[in-house]
Amino acid sequence: KAGVTQTPRYLIKTRGQQVTLSCSPISGHRSVSWYQQTPGQGLQFLFEYFSETQRNKGNFPGRFSGRQFSNSRSEMNVSTLELGDSALYLCASSYQGGDRDRREGNTIYFGEGSWLTVV
Amino acid sequence: GIQVEQSPPDLILQEGANSTLRCNFSDSVNNLQWFHQNPWGQLINLFYIPSGTKQNGRLSATTVATERYSLLYISSSQTTDSGVYFCAVGNYQLIWGAGTKLIIKP
Repeated sequence: KAGVTQTPRYLIKTRGQQVTLSCSPISGHRSVSWYQQTPGQGLQFLFEYFSETQRNKGNFPGRFSGRQFSNSRSEMNVSTLELGDSALYLCASSYQGGDRDRREGNTIYFGEGSWLTVV
Repeated sequence: GIQVEQSPPDLILQEGANSTLRCNFSDSVNNLQWFHQNPWGQLINLFYIPSGTKQNGRLSATTVATERYSLLYISSSQTTDSGVYFCAVGNYQLIWGAGTKLIIKP
């Protein structure tokens, strides 16, 4: 089955602009989470959505936002971009819930990521 | 919050060698996963292992939940094993270790 798909893979933006990243989870997965990875800070949790509701949020400013649609696809948006927002943004999906979850646990699967450069 | 520490931070080995990577965590967890990030940034889930032992080919992992640590074993290393290995714990929000950077030389 298809894995987690993220688009776009690479993008360059200018300071002050905004960006929207998209994530399509594995079919049947209801949980989508987003992470930011930078050389200095490592992997940091942004937020997690389950059935269109944000369940958890990391410690990021309000410029970072997200949403999940009824088909579980998710988008994240960063407004008023800063140079420090340059990073690899990773999306992950997991099933979470029911008998299948007891077999798989909360195993999460990552997409290939979106490389964002802010200039 | 939960603290996750991985060791060693860097590891350089010759092809064919065996290695052990360690993950210590500061509190009880019901979710622990090991990941491999290749040089192109792709994160691959290796094991979901909140307790016990699992094996997958040349890789195996053991988590001793009562003592709050997990070990990842790589046997007969290959150059394709190079990359960063992460341990992450939690449930909806995974707390990540800083990773072990592994370089396998041919």
